[in-house]
This record gives sequence, C-alpha cells and structure tokens, in this order.
Amino acid sequence: QSVLTQPPSASGTPGQRVTISCSGSSSNIGSNTVSWYQHLPGTAPKLLVYSNNQRPSGVPDRFSGSKSGTSASLAISGLQSEDEADYYCAAWDDSLNAYVFGTGTKVSVL
Amino acid sequence: EVQMVESGGGLVEPGRSLRLSCTVSGFAFRNFDMTWFRQAPGKGLEWVGFIRSNPYGGTTEHAASVKGRFTISRDDSKSIAYLQMNSLKIEDTGMYYCARELATGAFDIWGQGTTVTVSS
Repeated sequence: QSVLTQPPSASGTPGQRVTISCSGSSSNIGSNTVSWYQHLPGTAPKLLVYSNNQRPSGVPDRFSGSKSGTSASLAISGLQSEDEADYYCAAWDDSLNAYVFGTGTKVSVL
Repeated sequence: EVQMVESGGGLVEPGRSLRLSCTVSGFAFRNFDMTWFRQAPGKGLEWVGFIRSNPYGGTTEHAASVKGRFTISRDDSKSIAYLQMNSLKIEDTGMYYCARELATGAFDIWGQGTTVTVSS
C-alpha cells in the first residue's frame, strides 16, 4: 500500500509545464530525502531526481524537484512527447522501516 | 557497460518456491547495497527489500508483505544478488526488479525486470 499520495494523472501540450505533487508525513518526506522515478511498465525505472532536488548526470534540466515539509513536487518544463510515462515519488519511512513509493502519476502529452 | 540483469522468473503454483537472480556487471558490486522491487499488474512500484554491502554487515531488511517468506542474499564473488521466494501467493505475481542503491538512498541503476506469475 502506498503511503505517499500523488494525483493519478497530469497532462499538458508540448512545451507546457506540468507539476506533480507528492504528499507524505513526518515519518517519510518530513524526515528523509525524496527521489523521483520515471517508469514505462515493463521497462527499467529511471531515476530523475534524488536528494529532493538533485539530478543525476544525463537527466535534462527540464526536470526539477523540490520539497517543503511533508510534501514534494516534480516539475517538467518544456513538455515533450517522450515524457509520457508514469512518475513516482519515493522516500524511506522511519515508522514502517520501509522504502515507500507514491501512488504514481500518469503524464500524458496532448 | 553498467548492467543489471534479472533472471529466474516464471510460472509457479501457489505455495511453491522460486529464486530470482540479479547479475551485475560494469561496477564494483561488493561496494553497494542491492534492492529488490516489484510491480503487480496494474499497480504501482513496491519495495521488496534490500541487502547491505558486506562491509556494512550484509544484513537485510524486507517489506512486511514478504517478511518470513522472501529472503535476499548476495554472492560478491559472482556479483549476483538473489531473491529467494517461498510460500508464494497469487498476490506475489508481478514484474520483479533489482536496483543499485546510492548512499543518498536513491536507486540509480535498475534491471529490465523478470516476470513472476503465481497461478494454479
């Protein structure tokens, strides 16, 4: 069961900016760093953001992450067709002693 | 080339066992914690558990949903991580992924996954 809440879907036209929210609690986002993953089912998930707002080498700067209190967000600017995928936030949960994912957000490019 | 390849998936009856392997190449396997994830059909990603690198004790943590049934192990000499799955349930059906954990707690390298189907 997911303990991080995300909107089920988000969409935009090419070039637009899309923001995905991730709501947690004091035991996960409130006390640990947040990562974001891009996933097409059946393929390897891809790390987009780690430590709340850091991008791995090779990830375009169109993707940016932020965190405030017990919430986090991922922004995709300059939306492109290849950005159509599922996006998940994730963090360690100190109470559950488990790594927890968000419910996932499906991004569509109209 | 940095690569992680899962294998060992398949069709198995409820109550039976299966062992998945995650074969690593292109980086120093022994220096990293290894983690298993899964995704049930139509569902989101789920953490299964991880094994620490041997310098940090090689200890494991497992999700509550699999604790007592699944066991993660590693063979640093072969650069392979294992997921031993016993007493399989229908709800264990899904795609299983292994991933490399960074010190930051994020997972930067993932395999393509192997499919496990538990059905009678």
